[in-house]
Amino acid sequence: QKEVEQNSGPLSVPEGAIASLNCTYSDRGSQSFFWYRQYSGKSPELIMFIYSNGDKEDGRFTAQLNKASQYVSLLIRDSQPSDSATYLCAVNNPLGTYKYIFGTGTRLKVLA
Amino acid sequence: NAGVTQTPKFRILKIGQSMTLQCTQDMNHNYMYWYRQDPGMGLKLIYYSVGAGITDKGEVPNGYNVSRSTTEDFPLRLELAAPSQTSVYFCASSYGDRDGYTFGSGTRLTVV
Repeated sequence: QKEVEQNSGPLSVPEGAIASLNCTYSDRGSQSFFWYRQYSGKSPELIMFIYSNGDKEDGRFTAQLNKASQYVSLLIRDSQPSDSATYLCAVNNPLGTYKYIFGTGTRLKVLA
Repeated sequence: NAGVTQTPKFRILKIGQSMTLQCTQDMNHNYMYWYRQDPGMGLKLIYYSVGAGITDKGEVPNGYNVSRSTTEDFPLRLELAAPSQTSVYFCASSYGDRDGYTFGSGTRLTVV
């Protein structure tokens, strides 16, 4: 069973700051990487995906992928209290049976 | 466009009882999944399907069964409920196996 690891947090940042969330994975064959946001008591919601090394920007969100170092990051610029949630990293598992492996998530708290 | 619809939202079962969790999607997605989410444990894949008539086990299939007679529906059956099956269950779908998931709103199940 390959693993995806995230710091559980909470990560506390002041409103307007940049929040940086990190995820490491163990399967070098992984090709697809996703970030989901999950509010308390709600279902996960896809916010970003990245397939290639480098940065991918979408509004206030930037996903960063470094396959050589086997990590993927999510940056949230101008953090808002509404960004307070748990962020789940998901990585595909091409050599295994289970399509995607999810990390346990990092809880983000944006302080007003 | 409803997306992924799960019913019921909440259920309390007694040990040994059976039930079916319903999941329907209207996005014509080929892939469908059942996950369970326990506190601090992340999302664990129970079963998945790559198309009508095709299902396969995930990471934690024991105690569950599924069927996929149509593209739209992917019910999850619990035959003999046990306290270890107390969890939040999410159904999800995707167009392909490299695409992000759309999750249903979840079913919170308690077995007493």
